[in-house]
Amino acid sequence: AQTVTQSQPEMSVQEAETVTLSCTYDTSENNYYLFWYKQPPSRQMILVIRQEAYKQQNATENRFSVNFQKAAKSFSLKISDSQLGDTAMYFCAFIIYQGGSEKLVFGKGTKLTVNP
Amino acid sequence: EPEVTQTPSHQVTQMGQEVILRCVPISNHLYFYWYRQILGQKVEFLVSFYNNEISEKSEIFDDQFSVERPDGSNFTLKIRSTKLEDSAMYFCASSGDRARAEAFFGQGTRLTVV
Repeated sequence: AQTVTQSQPEMSVQEAETVTLSCTYDTSENNYYLFWYKQPPSRQMILVIRQEAYKQQNATENRFSVNFQKAAKSFSLKISDSQLGDTAMYFCAFIIYQGGSEKLVFGKGTKLTVNP
Repeated sequence: EPEVTQTPSHQVTQMGQEVILRCVPISNHLYFYWYRQILGQKVEFLVSFYNNEISEKSEIFDDQFSVERPDGSNFTLKIRSTKLEDSAMYFCASSGDRARAEAFFGQGTRLTVV
């Protein structure tokens, strides 16, 4: 079964500090991508960062970076210099390919609050 | 910047009624999806659609659900006879480049069944 586990239901961080959100996943597939999505109070799903499973190099997007450990099936998100606008639900997800189609499998999310 | 647009943003319907949720994907995208999120829970895959047919559907997507792309621009999700447990946020998503596996989501439609 394909699953994503986010073990931290809620986290908080002070503005300008660094926070790491954890994610583990389970799949027997080899061909997949990993994502972090942000869902602010407006409820829209916004892609934060993506990682191809076949790449060893960790993805980075400005203040957001990941620590991808394929053998451990771990995919954590680090947010540096946290800003008030980073307050949101964060969902870890991966996408697998089955018979030509694909679907995103999501974790339950981590609610991040950035405090001033 | 191109975006996925969903209408309406909020729909309230009586149990047993039919609803149609509408989505306008990004214009050059070829892969379309519906997901739903029951309040406080994780986002769940419903269905994927490519080349005018369903490519995959989940167990949730039973005979009460259907999708179509009637005019080449809109992508709709129909629930024939709504149940209370259909109350959720419904997200449409589209993807243009399967190699990048990057789905862009709409802002969602909040469906409330009363």
